[in-house]
Amino acid sequence: DAKTTQPPSMDCAEGRAANLPCNHSTISGNEYVYWYRQIHSQGPQYIIHGLKNNETNEMASLIITEDRKSSTLILPHATLRDTAVYYCIVRPTLRGGSEKLVFGKGTKLTVNP
Amino acid sequence: DTAVSQTPKYLVTQMGNDKSIKCEQNLGHDTMYWYKQDSKKFLKIMFSYNNKELIINETVPNRFSPKSPDKAHLNLHINSLELGDSAVYFCASSRFDRRGEEGYTFGSGTRLTVV
Repeated sequence: DAKTTQPPSMDCAEGRAANLPCNHSTISGNEYVYWYRQIHSQGPQYIIHGLKNNETNEMASLIITEDRKSSTLILPHATLRDTAVYYCIVRPTLRGGSEKLVFGKGTKLTVNP
Repeated sequence: DTAVSQTPKYLVTQMGNDKSIKCEQNLGHDTMYWYKQDSKKFLKIMFSYNNKELIINETVPNRFSPKSPDKAHLNLHINSLELGDSAVYFCASSRFDRRGEEGYTFGSGTRLTVV
């Protein structure tokens, strides 16, 4: 079962920031927070991940609360192409071997013109 | 250019048939996976292989048999197809480097319809 809780849907105006929340109150000390998204009819796409520090890359920013029980994915300037289902996943990152991704229901983000 | 490629993209077949889905990755990853996304859009892992060795088998019926001839390929063979097997099947691959980065990459999916 997924260890995260996300709102089922959100709307955002094009050009504005999209802030997608995720609760993971049972996260363990060795677990990272990962975000993926799935654009309609495509495979999931990695966005960003973090442990406890805030992270930023060319796609998004990830803000993790100090107690690590929740996080927010920020798309700074949402475009219509950002319309997708966004998944927040917590899991350990191990060196070697393999790790499965446990997907929840995600948040359906709709970016409106 | 395609990193993780699956064939075919669409597959329509009758109940009881046997079919295969092929997956290839050119990323040099050492772990490959099969995920299933059902009609309710839940995405769940089925299998994973690391260096051709089966690592994860998530209580999948034995009608499903993955085969990994080498690190770059992971095929999925399904015997005696049932209506409930209709879904989108995604192949994925990943790797681990010194920073713990994974490069988890999914293919574009194979939409299987059993009639």
